[in-house]
Amino acid sequence: SQKIEQNSEALNIQEGKTATLTCNYTNYSPAYLQWYRQDPGRGPVFLLLIRENEKEKRKERLKVTFDTTLKQSLFHITASQPADSATYLCALVRNNDMRFGAGTRLTVKP
Amino acid sequence: EPEVTQTPSHQVTQMGQEVILRCVPISNHLYFYWYRQILGQKVEFLVSFYNNEISEKSEIFDDQFSVERPDGSNFTLKIRSTKLEDSAMYFCASSDWSTDTFGSGTRLTVV
Repeated sequence: SQKIEQNSEALNIQEGKTATLTCNYTNYSPAYLQWYRQDPGRGPVFLLLIRENEKEKRKERLKVTFDTTLKQSLFHITASQPADSATYLCALVRNNDMRFGAGTRLTVKP
Repeated sequence: EPEVTQTPSHQVTQMGQEVILRCVPISNHLYFYWYRQILGQKVEFLVSFYNNEISEKSEIFDDQFSVERPDGSNFTLKIRSTKLEDSAMYFCASSDWSTDTFGSGTRLTVV
């Protein structure tokens, strides 16, 4: 069955450092992969999309990589800030079906 | 910035009752989705809707669930006979195929 794993339930880092979050998947061939931010009690907010034929995408302090051979995506936040503290979700999409990972709760300490 | 609007924000219902959750997607989007998130768990895909019909549905979306686009703007999720385990946040989303925008959700509590 399909499995989507995000590296850890929680990640704590110091302000200014780079946060790296991992999303691994098995038994799935997504057409593209998305990363979302979710704050408590709120809906997911779209951050970045990367397609199966793309290796890397950047947006301001965010960078996503996608390795379809390793079946892995890495999500980086550079120069992290306390305001980046949230849960980050990866989502794999094929046709009109989107499957989410459980998320990684990132805490950036001042 | 365009938003997906969901109503109500909270709904409490008796077990066995029918509920309808409402969503107004972004006006020029063509793809619509419902997800649920049980407290403390991951976001789960329920159903996608395109061109006035269901295009994909998950194993969760059984005969108790139905979706409708009754007019040009609303998108609804109906649960026919609610169970305690239906208690969750229900999120609607719409997409222009490159960006999915989620609503703020409806918190459904079945008592």
